[in-house]
This record gives sequence, structure tokens and C-alpha cells, in this order.
Amino acid sequence: GESVGLHLPTLSVQEGDNSIINCAYSNSASDYFIWYKQESGKGPQFIIDIRSNMDKRQGQRVTVLLNKTVKHLSLQIAATQPGDSAVYFCAETSSGSARQLTFGSGTQLTVLP
Amino acid sequence: KAGVTQTPRYLIKTRGQQVTLSCSPISGHRSVSWYQQTPGQGLQFLFEYFSETQRNKGNFPGRFSGRQFSNSRSEMNVSTLELGDSALYLCASSFYGIYEQYFGPGTRLTVT
Repeated sequence: GESVGLHLPTLSVQEGDNSIINCAYSNSASDYFIWYKQESGKGPQFIIDIRSNMDKRQGQRVTVLLNKTVKHLSLQIAATQPGDSAVYFCAETSSGSARQLTFGSGTQLTVLP
Repeated sequence: KAGVTQTPRYLIKTRGQQVTLSCSPISGHRSVSWYQQTPGQGLQFLFEYFSETQRNKGNFPGRFSGRQFSNSRSEMNVSTLELGDSALYLCASSFYGIYEQYFGPGTRLTVT
């Protein structure tokens, strides 16, 4: 079936540097994408979303880029802070009567002091 | 505004037993979705309820069921538990469907 995958399972960055987390998806019909952050012992937390009619969206310190040609999604975190250490998931869905999210496997981001 | 609450937070059950998990959504949210999270399979969608009706269902066996009450609170039930059902069960609520879902902390189910 369709799947959403991540390029790297772990990512370590220095505090203050920018982080880039990548995600590949395979469903060409996907039209809505979300990034979630999950800290240890907590449920996923919504970070930012993007629809397929956009290729970039910015939030507070975060930017999501969507490349539909190569079915690739990325999350950029500016000036990474220790509180950004968490597992990051991308998720996608396609339009239709059965809208449900398909999640990627997650990337563990570790911010080094 | 209070977040999504799930009870219990931790549960240990024996294979063959059944279990019921509870979720209270954010006030005003009518959509409640359930997810299973395991190290091997990641986050997988179980089902979604909206206004007491199951609107979507993931690819899980019939042992997994749920319901939603008129106050939007939801329960999920797993019958005839198997070892592989050990997981973190997450509930998420929203005004409508998958958009801007807010997750609860989850219920950690261990089947022995």
C-alpha cells in the first residue's frame, strides 16, 4: 500500500544551528501534509501543515517545503533549541470519503549543547 | 482550555482478556480519532468518530472497536487481547476530522 517514509531515523544538531528533517511519500494523490513533534511520554503535537497547492509554508521558527515532483517534504527548524529534541513525524492524506492520516516512521532529533 | 485526556494512562492485561480505553476530547471538538503506536509499525490509524458515528476505519481486525457518546467522549475496546496489541493508544480530537488534531498523552497497554 501507500506509505510515507523518512530518510534518516536520527539527527543530531548543535544548539543554535538549523535542522532539516526530510520525508518521502509515495501516494501521488496526497494533498495534505502535517508535521508532528512527539516528546517522550507525550502524544504528538501539531507543528505545521501544508496543502498540495503550496510549496512552502512558514510558522514560528519552522518552515515546511513540499516538492510534489519528487514527492518530498521537509521540515526546517531555525535556531534549534534543546526543547526541540523530540521525534518528528510527517503525515499525509489524500482527498476522498475516507480521509485518514498515514504517518512516517519518525526522526529522532537530538540537540547537542 | 483543557487538553485531550485519556484514562487510564497505564494498563496491564493478560492475553485473552478485553480492555476499554477512554478519551475525553477538547471541549467543542466533535471528531475523535484513535491511533495505535508501536516501535515496529509506528503510528497507525484505528478509527474516527464524528457526532457518534464511525466515519473512517483503519486496517485493524474486528477485535478493535469503538464508540462515541453524545458529549463527544469516546471509548475504544479491544477484545481477546493478543501480545501484539501491546502499544501506546493515542486519542486525538478536532473540530472536524484530521485537520489540526490535538493528541492526548496516550494509554500504555501491556499485554502479558
